[in-house]
Amino acid sequence: ETGVTQTPRHLVMGMTNKKSLKCEQHLGHNAMYWYKQSAKKPLELMFVYNFKEQTENNSVPSRFSPECPNSSHLFLHLHTLQPEDSALYLCASSPTDTLSSYEQYFGPGTRLTVT
Amino acid sequence: AQSVAQPEDQVNVAEGNPLTVKCTYSVSGNPYLFWYVQYPNRGLQFLLKYITGDNLVKGSYGFEAEFNKSQTSFHLKKPSALVSDSALYFCAVRDGRAAGNKLTFGGGTRVLVKP
Repeated sequence: ETGVTQTPRHLVMGMTNKKSLKCEQHLGHNAMYWYKQSAKKPLELMFVYNFKEQTENNSVPSRFSPECPNSSHLFLHLHTLQPEDSALYLCASSPTDTLSSYEQYFGPGTRLTVT
Repeated sequence: AQSVAQPEDQVNVAEGNPLTVKCTYSVSGNPYLFWYVQYPNRGLQFLLKYITGDNLVKGSYGFEAEFNKSQTSFHLKKPSALVSDSALYFCAVRDGRAAGNKLTFGGGTRVLVKP
């Protein structure tokens, strides 16, 4: 888990709140990812960013809004969430050069509870 | 398209016995294969990968995996399991010919090692 940090580690929010999750990687990678992990679907890819540009949105509801200001930081802005959005949100990063294997490195996750 | 399957939701094994976690994959091109482990309330940790070369790959914590092209499998193995190996294990695949850097993860296999 070293190299990719996530804050906060735990978050409880009401359905009308607005909050943000933060991810930072210290590995010099140029790709970053958001995943949702819940009991029903163990690991769902949400968003992919390459060189700060969003390259994949896996049909994620608009109440989740990602932001990638630079290759080292990734945010997930949350608003008007539903109880079913309660899950562990994982951030990951990876290299993007063609000689690499695109191995992803994960942060510890943010445990989100929507009340 | 790329996909991966982990046919067992849970594997139970006695401490000291061999451990095997199964994974099969499907890709159009060359497979890049990965195994990750997740301990409770933690992110995913990389164990090992196969890109090319020897079919038997050695990784962290005494784990190894065997790539079998004819059976499209990449089973994870450990000769002698420890109680501390109890965790959730994910297999992942990337099509080496595909554009982008998306990994597809299996549904996960929970390993329980009993003393």
